[in-house]
Amino acid sequence: SAVISQKPSRDICQRGTSLTIQCQVDSQVTMMFWYRQQPGQSLTLIATANQGSEATYESGFVIDKFPISRPNLTFSTLTVSNMSPEDSSIYLCSALGFGGTNYGYTFGSGTRLTVV
Amino acid sequence: AQTVTQSQPEMSVQEAETVTLSCTYDTSESDYYLFWYKQPPSRQMILVIRQEAYKQQNATENRFSVNFQKAAKSFSLKISDSQLGDAAMYFCAYRSATDSWGKLQFGAGTQVVVTP
Repeated sequence: SAVISQKPSRDICQRGTSLTIQCQVDSQVTMMFWYRQQPGQSLTLIATANQGSEATYESGFVIDKFPISRPNLTFSTLTVSNMSPEDSSIYLCSALGFGGTNYGYTFGSGTRLTVV
Repeated sequence: AQTVTQSQPEMSVQEAETVTLSCTYDTSESDYYLFWYKQPPSRQMILVIRQEAYKQQNATENRFSVNFQKAAKSFSLKISDSQLGDAAMYFCAYRSATDSWGKLQFGAGTQVVVTP
């Protein structure tokens, strides 16, 4: 199955600034997904990114706050903009491979973001 | 929208013993996929087992097996001969077979604690 390299693994940022998180997959994938996860809690989907089109956002998440790029079939970025302490969380990317019924999901190792 | 419910926030098991994690889901669809993921403190999401709804046979992977009850919309995970390395958060997830985006819906998670 595919392997995702997610960077950075952690960061401490000042409020009002922006952070861009990158996910690089070692093979081509169809969809890429961005999640937010509070420690000890479940994953909340932020948006789904399809190559060559604008990302689709879930309720409660907007493009101005979480712009996403998906320039090709192996790479995606999520930017957390104009950060506040409430944005402190773990951000995870995931990718869905090609292959019909033999698909598989792969996850990055997450970015722990602390906003001060 | 589908919902996934994990009613056990934490389960404790002794080494070599068996533990069963419960998962129920709400859907009006007949074709879908169900997953169990393991997330250790490293944050890396690891696929434990996958079940296609059209398959009546319960999936098994070594010490992990599921009890899939389609009519009851239940998908429990049994961990046999528990090992210290099984300690992690376990998430149940649902994917609609008709969702071309491939989005996963996660449950709240169950923390598994393994005692020597």
